[in-house]
Amino acid sequence: NAGVTQTPKFQVLKTGQSMTLQCAQDMNHEYMSWYRQDPGMGLRLIHYSVGAGITDQGEVPNGYNVSRSTTEDFPLRLLSAAPSQTSVYFCASRSRSWGYTFGSGTRLTVV
Amino acid sequence: QQPVQSPQAVILREGEDAVINCSSSKALYSVHWYRQKHGEAPVFLMILLKGGEQKGHEKISASFNEKKQQSSLYLTASQLSYSGTYFCGTEYSPDSWGKFQFGAGTQVVVTP
Repeated sequence: NAGVTQTPKFQVLKTGQSMTLQCAQDMNHEYMSWYRQDPGMGLRLIHYSVGAGITDQGEVPNGYNVSRSTTEDFPLRLLSAAPSQTSVYFCASRSRSWGYTFGSGTRLTVV
Repeated sequence: QQPVQSPQAVILREGEDAVINCSSSKALYSVHWYRQKHGEAPVFLMILLKGGEQKGHEKISASFNEKKQQSSLYLTASQLSYSGTYFCGTEYSPDSWGKFQFGAGTQVVVTP
């Protein structure tokens, strides 16, 4: 089925390690974004992209990098993991005048 | 600026009705509604656009008052499957992709 695929589903990192969360969509959506969700904090935008080669920062971008070389893929890179980055991460995509389709999420724990 | 949702939580018995509100301090272009069940990703329910257009996956009832900058989601004759956290999200213009913000959520519990 069409949708947003996120990997991995779970990850444990040590402080200072780096990793990449993968996200791919097959709906030809222009817009993709990364959110983190913490208890009581709702969904906060980390980075977003309005098309291949175009990215921009959201509300909480520090400690994360993104790139968008193709319409389909939008990976999120954690540069040097910190305990404060323990969270659930969602990738989402959408087209204009419709809502977001979310990936299944990545539960990240930084120890 | 993050939209404000109310109430924070509501407990219903099956068959009862509830209203969830979402308000903004700025003029809105669109309002989205999502439902998230525990341990799952949010699922899109409906988008309400300036000018009156509404689109969505399910037969969800909602309203958008552009003058008051607020939207309401109506849970009518609630079912157990309605349980979850409901989020609204707001946009201020057609191109404000990066300014899209979610509210803090309203937890809904429907009991038998």
